[in-house]
Amino acid sequence: KNQVEQSPQSLIILEGKNCTLQCNYTVSPFSNLRWYKQDTGRGPVSLTIMTFSENTKSNGRYTATLDADTKQSSLHITASQLSDSASYICVVSARPYGNNRLAFGKGNQVVVIP
Amino acid sequence: EAQVTQNPRYLITVTGKKLTVTCSQNMNHEYMSWYRQDPGLGLRQIYYSMNVEVTDKGDVPEGYKVSRKEKRNFPLILESPSPNQTSLYFCASSQTQDKSSEQYFGPGTRLTVT
Repeated sequence: KNQVEQSPQSLIILEGKNCTLQCNYTVSPFSNLRWYKQDTGRGPVSLTIMTFSENTKSNGRYTATLDADTKQSSLHITASQLSDSASYICVVSARPYGNNRLAFGKGNQVVVIP
Repeated sequence: EAQVTQNPRYLITVTGKKLTVTCSQNMNHEYMSWYRQDPGLGLRQIYYSMNVEVTDKGDVPEGYKVSRKEKRNFPLILESPSPNQTSLYFCASSQTQDKSSEQYFGPGTRLTVT
């Protein structure tokens, strides 16, 4: 069973609109949670990294939230642009393994249309 | 420019013909890792290296070999490729394997084994 579940699997949004992506995880003990953006045919690029004590972090129009008690995270995209079309991957790290044992979600595929 | 490079970017080969995918980083990172990405499965770790001459298996190491003779290079070797190794491969590096150490991904190598 995958330890990181993302929803929705895919969505289409109009340019300029906002959207929210969800990530639920069961990884324990929790270390940190990361959101990556992956453009088609390219490697993932880090958007945010949040530790247990952080409940929100922003990177431009991207805002990630974390509720470590309920083991949920969300990524909010504000005023979407065509360049936001990509897969967004939620990745959770477990103590004490760090990058050795990352649990990857399957991604949220976002398509922004004019 | 700080980056992770992979070569080749695209490769079509036949079953059983040995191949090597190279990975190089110019950030003096200690930690390097190889992943494969398949539709519906997300990213899965193949092998990782915490420093020169230190390598270990990830989640799906069967059919792969790696070496870390120099800090900057981490080649992935397929001694006898099979069709089930057709996939998109990513190399990644980070300063250390520590939980807070951000991973940088290469551009990917799309491998097809016929």
